Amino acid sequence: NAGVTQTPKFQVLKTGQSMTLQCAQDMNHEYMSWYRQDPGMGLRLIHYSVGAGITDQGEVPNGYNVSRSTTEDFPLRLLSAAPSQTSVYFCASRSGGSGDTEAFFGQGTRLTVV
Amino acid sequence: QQQVKQSPQSLIVQKGGIPIINCAYENTAFDYFPWYQQFPGKGPALLIAIRPDVSEKKEGRFTISFNKSAKQFSLHIMDSQPGDSATYFCAARSGSARQLTFGSGTQLTVLP
Repeated sequence: NAGVTQTPKFQVLKTGQSMTLQCAQDMNHEYMSWYRQDPGMGLRLIHYSVGAGITDQGEVPNGYNVSRSTTEDFPLRLLSAAPSQTSVYFCASRSGGSGDTEAFFGQGTRLTVV
Repeated sequence: QQQVKQSPQSLIVQKGGIPIINCAYENTAFDYFPWYQQFPGKGPALLIAIRPDVSEKKEGRFTISFNKSAKQFSLHIMDSQPGDSATYFCAARSGSARQLTFGSGTQLTVLP
């Protein structure tokens, strides 16, 4: 199993450019999430999805869009990149249902906006 | 506004020592408290988790202590090893969507 796969691993953007961070999971998980990790701030939730066609905002959604057309994929779009979006981005997935299932994380995308 | 407060920010111990990382929360709706371990260049991975109906949980050298009345929980690493050097995050989960709220992280260094 590949688990959660994020691409690209590294990206440099100029201010104002757009891009999509890809996330795919092969575990048939219902729940998927995007986090950003910044020094001294832990991981903060950007957007999440509880199933195909259903998304919702997290703690820091501004400047980001998501969609969930399939169970496997949950791309994160930056429409107009800003230096404040320089961060490491992690995608996570977990199975749904009752109980507390483990969240599996990808290896991250390090984004620099200049 | 940080809902889960973690301390210390960094911690250095000698091999064999017992590092302790503390977390505190305010939201009484939290009902699941995992700890994640992250090595450089990798994503976080679940280490151990506890629910508030128990006061302690052990898995190998890792122990979570939970104090529901004080709204605090902590991670203890027994007989720490250089391979335990990593960043540790506490987290909490609540709500119908069951999303995680993370602490700010603790960078642990275990000296040989």
